[in-house]
Amino acid sequence: GQQVQQSPASLVLQEGENAELQCNFSTSLNSMQWFYQRPGGSLVSLFYNPSGTKHSGRLTSTTVIKERRSSLHISSSQTTDSGTYLCALERKSNYQLIWGSGTKLIIKP
Amino acid sequence: SVLLYQKPNRDICQSGTSLKIQCVADSQVVSMFWYQQFQEQSLMLMATANEGSEATYESGFTKDKFPISRPNLTFSTLTVNNARPGDSSIYFCSSRTGVSAETLYFGSGTRLTVL
Repeated sequence: GQQVQQSPASLVLQEGENAELQCNFSTSLNSMQWFYQRPGGSLVSLFYNPSGTKHSGRLTSTTVIKERRSSLHISSSQTTDSGTYLCALERKSNYQLIWGSGTKLIIKP
Repeated sequence: SVLLYQKPNRDICQSGTSLKIQCVADSQVVSMFWYQQFQEQSLMLMATANEGSEATYESGFTKDKFPISRPNLTFSTLTVNNARPGDSSIYFCSSRTGVSAETLYFGSGTRLTVL
């Protein structure tokens, strides 16, 4: 089965609401990395998070290895947050990345 | 950090032709990776290219179809041979500063349309 499962596949929110994205994994990891991609655009790394919680402005990433999950929280969402968010698990054995299927986030004004 | 400059940004080609995508890093990097992304889908790793050695291809991708060169630590090219409409997608080069370095950096992508 899929080693990284990302949810939800899509999410539509009103501006100002909070967004919660999740990746569940079934294999040992070095770290979980979160990326942001504008429509048709390149990818920007948001977090490299092996465990625990990291913050960057309105974004928070939490990786809980025991529970085999990593989440990305966006507080007070803005229309400019719209795009696709991808998680990628860095495998412990060989540093290879296993990608989630992405969450398409739409923030309405 | 690493900046990756990729060109062309987009290309349209006829079936059966070949095209080359270039990726230049602003600093020396050990490994460069090439990814394929179909519309609204996840990324698929095509191959890993280290300087001076043959690229390592993932399942579903071959050297004949997608030859990759890596002549030095700042440059790589991906060629799409005998392009077909099914090859229409976005191609990204990416890199990290070390084998186990944390962050993965991406080029701006090349959107390929094969007619």
